[in-house]
Amino acid sequence: AAGVIQSPRHLIKEKRETATLKCYPIPRHDTVYWYQQGPGQDPQFLISFYEKMQSDKGSIPDRFSAQQFSDYHSELNMSSLELGDSALYFCASSSRDVWGPLHFGNGTRLTVT
Amino acid sequence: SQQGEEDPQALSIQEGENATMNCSYKTSINNLQWYRQNSGRGLVHLILIRSNEREKHSGRLRVTLDTSKKSSSLLITASRAADTASYFCAPNTGNQFYFGTGTSLTVIP
Repeated sequence: AAGVIQSPRHLIKEKRETATLKCYPIPRHDTVYWYQQGPGQDPQFLISFYEKMQSDKGSIPDRFSAQQFSDYHSELNMSSLELGDSALYFCASSSRDVWGPLHFGNGTRLTVT
Repeated sequence: SQQGEEDPQALSIQEGENATMNCSYKTSINNLQWYRQNSGRGLVHLILIRSNEREKHSGRLRVTLDTSKKSSSLLITASRAADTASYFCAPNTGNQFYFGTGTSLTVIP
């Protein structure tokens, strides 16, 4: 069965650079969530989208933005990167109809040097 | 806060023993879900219990829900070394999923 695809798997950037993370949800899933997980931390909710509209906003910094496209894939754009942005970034998708389980991708490990 | 709070933060048991983790939350929920995370990997959904259910089983997993106490527990029976992971609960209030700090379970072979 198709799973949530995230790219790239690893990304190394320098401070003040920008990064774009991509997420391809499971087909027919209409909702996408983004989470940030620092070393030894719990997953922090950043933002979610439903049917290409922002649904909910968590602890996403103003330097970050995200959107969901017509094909339901989503991108997380991160600018003016800081050392503290180094983390695992997960995308998850679900179907809102059933308030069912989240299906997570394997994440993008971002390292800011 | 809509996130669940897991207890204990860490749990170490021998293989074959049972492991119990608890979750408390503060808001009314549609359902409550438990997830597992192996180090450095994405979370994996384990089981979902709806607000009108009190107990649910799935293989070696047993979940209970007490909406009056706003609490849930996850029991893993006959644990295996492969169960070593972090476990998170996610009280679901619709389109929002917030995770707590999780329970880190270590199963010693």
